[in-house]
Amino acid sequence: QLQLQESGPGLVKPSETLSLTCTVSGGSISSSSYYWGWIRQPPGKGLEWIGSIYYSGSTYYNPSLKSRVTISVDTSKNQFSLKLSSVTAADTAVYYCARRSLLWFGELWDYWGQGTLVTVSS
Amino acid sequence: QSVLTQPPSVSAAPGQKVTISCSGSSSNIGNNYVSWYQQLPGTAPKLLIYENNKRPSGIPDRFSGSKSGTSATLGITGLQTGDEADYYCGTWDSSLSAGQGVFGGGTKLTVL
Repeated sequence: QLQLQESGPGLVKPSETLSLTCTVSGGSISSSSYYWGWIRQPPGKGLEWIGSIYYSGSTYYNPSLKSRVTISVDTSKNQFSLKLSSVTAADTAVYYCARRSLLWFGELWDYWGQGTLVTVSS
Repeated sequence: QSVLTQPPSVSAAPGQKVTISCSGSSSNIGNNYVSWYQQLPGTAPKLLIYENNKRPSGIPDRFSGSKSGTSATLGITGLQTGDEADYYCGTWDSSLSAGQGVFGGGTKLTVL
């Protein structure tokens, strides 16, 4: 059974860089059938798509975050990562990593991590 | 403000049917497939519907999806108290050169 697990600091200071890693188990991140991505949810609010990456390194980013976001992949560790720079309180959210399947049409996320709350505060 | 528009809340009695709408435009729903997600309190979202109207293995046929033009609809029949959750629609938006994923603002379902 595929599992995704987010890890990283739960507290980040304003203006610093948020860094999270998603470890994939029970399947290979190098499969040609999937993208891997990050989605966040501010407390009490809806879902926001951050971006996605293919095992080859090809990426898509949310235009509103693009100048601050980097998503990378480490196939040797079966992990992918998120870096969000110059954070503010508005970046406080539960961050989910997830798998986007290419086996069907459309933007669909079929496996999700449990999510990790990142708070931006001094 | 979300690119896709959903009603903030819907409610219905146990055993009844409810529908949740998701409105977009030609750059997203109009030319791309829609997926739906269920988020139970305190948990990660779960895929309910993909390719507008298909259900992943394990999702009961009480859940259905449809799409017409630039709008999509999630239907739930035989409502149960366990269906109380937030529901989100999602799709791809091609309005910018690279495109991006987009979600609706979410709809809270209350089973009275």
